Amino acid sequence: EAEVAQSPRYKITEKSQAVAFWCDPISGHATLYWYRQILGQGPELLVQFQDESVVDDSQLPKDRFSAERLKGVDSTLKIQPAELGDSAMYLCASSSALAGIGEQFFGPGTRLTVL
Amino acid sequence: SQQGEEDPQALSIQEGENATMNCSYKTSINNLQWYRQNSGRGLVHLILIRSNEREKHSGRLRVTLDTSKKSSSLLITASRAADTASYFCATNRDDKIIFGKGTRLHILP
Repeated sequence: EAEVAQSPRYKITEKSQAVAFWCDPISGHATLYWYRQILGQGPELLVQFQDESVVDDSQLPKDRFSAERLKGVDSTLKIQPAELGDSAMYLCASSSALAGIGEQFFGPGTRLTVL
Repeated sequence: SQQGEEDPQALSIQEGENATMNCSYKTSINNLQWYRQNSGRGLVHLILIRSNEREKHSGRLRVTLDTSKKSSSLLITASRAADTASYFCATNRDDKIIFGKGTRLHILP
């Protein structure tokens, strides 16, 4: 069964360092999402791609976060510099349909701890 | 910003009992989805209900949608230990999906 892959699964870093997360969506899924989930909360959308184009990045802290999906397949989310408040689970999801029309398939997430 | 809000925040029931979770939202929607998340893992899609639907079933799951009250409910019948998880509703409006804070369900043996 096809799955969304994410790496690394866990990342511990010190504040002011740079971190990067990678996501490989299900093959053929044009829509890719990055979410941040703070413990005890629901996922919060950071950025949404349709193929290689950004559809929504209104909640992405652009002074320190960046995301790209150069060939419309896999994607990288970067934080530079990391802050203590960035400690959270970062989830990637993909969908074969336009946003909200179909289900999203989630990866296992990357748990980030900033010290 | 959170569109959907689940109620209760936490729920503990005995195995075999039914579990009901509610989701309220603020604005009109195109559809509403329910997801399950096991501890420390990604979310799994359970069911999608469109704004023109009132009820949907999937196995032991039953979802209702009342657009006049801007609310939805998820019923899990004959609960099992494996149902222990957090459950989130996600509303879609104009191709924007917003998740609620979730209900933490614990099934007691």
